[in-house]
Amino acid sequence: GEDVEQSLFLSVREGDSSVINCTYTDSSSTYLYWYKQEPGAGLQLLTYIFSNMDMKQDQRLTVLLNKKDKHLSLRIADTQTGDSAIYFCAETPSGTYKYIFGTGTRLKVLA
Amino acid sequence: EPEVTQTPSHQVTQMGQEVILRCVPISNHLYFYWYRQILGQKVEFLVSFYNNEISEKSEIFDDQFSVERPDGSNFTLKIRSTKLEDSAMYFCASSELLRITDTQYFGPGTRLTVL
Repeated sequence: GEDVEQSLFLSVREGDSSVINCTYTDSSSTYLYWYKQEPGAGLQLLTYIFSNMDMKQDQRLTVLLNKKDKHLSLRIADTQTGDSAIYFCAETPSGTYKYIFGTGTRLKVLA
Repeated sequence: EPEVTQTPSHQVTQMGQEVILRCVPISNHLYFYWYRQILGQKVEFLVSFYNNEISEKSEIFDDQFSVERPDGSNFTLKIRSTKLEDSAMYFCASSELLRITDTQYFGPGTRLTVL
């Protein structure tokens, strides 16, 4: 079935690194995405990775992809209080253009 | 930077009433989507739309729902007879083309509350 899983909560101290994990379902998904949702706001695209890549770095963000295990992670370096939000991974299964979102991980950054 | 806008930000309605949620996609985008997020749950796909036709829809998108592009800028989601379980945040999204490389850009959402 279409079920993208994430851990529900993560708490880190300001300045530490955060790692948010995601397990997706469709090994043929071509692109995998990370979105951020701040309280009361919409979904903001953070970054995405093409399935033939293992890693993508974008400033403080590093995405790691393990296709064999269908595991995606988002590392946020030097986490700030402004990074507190819900982070969703999403995949686009083969044969469709809809996004399948994960359950979301609520990141809390402690000052 | 261009963005997807949605109105209203919050809609309160009585059960059984019709509601229309409005979206203005990014101007050069051709593909449009609706998603919803029931409080505390996942964001779920409802429907995609291109060239005045539904491209794909989920099992949630039953006969109570319809979408329309009434003019060159708006994209609407209509719920004919709202139920309590329709209470959710509804997100509109758009993408430039229908390629797997084309990212969907999301609006801020409309919170629908059915009483």
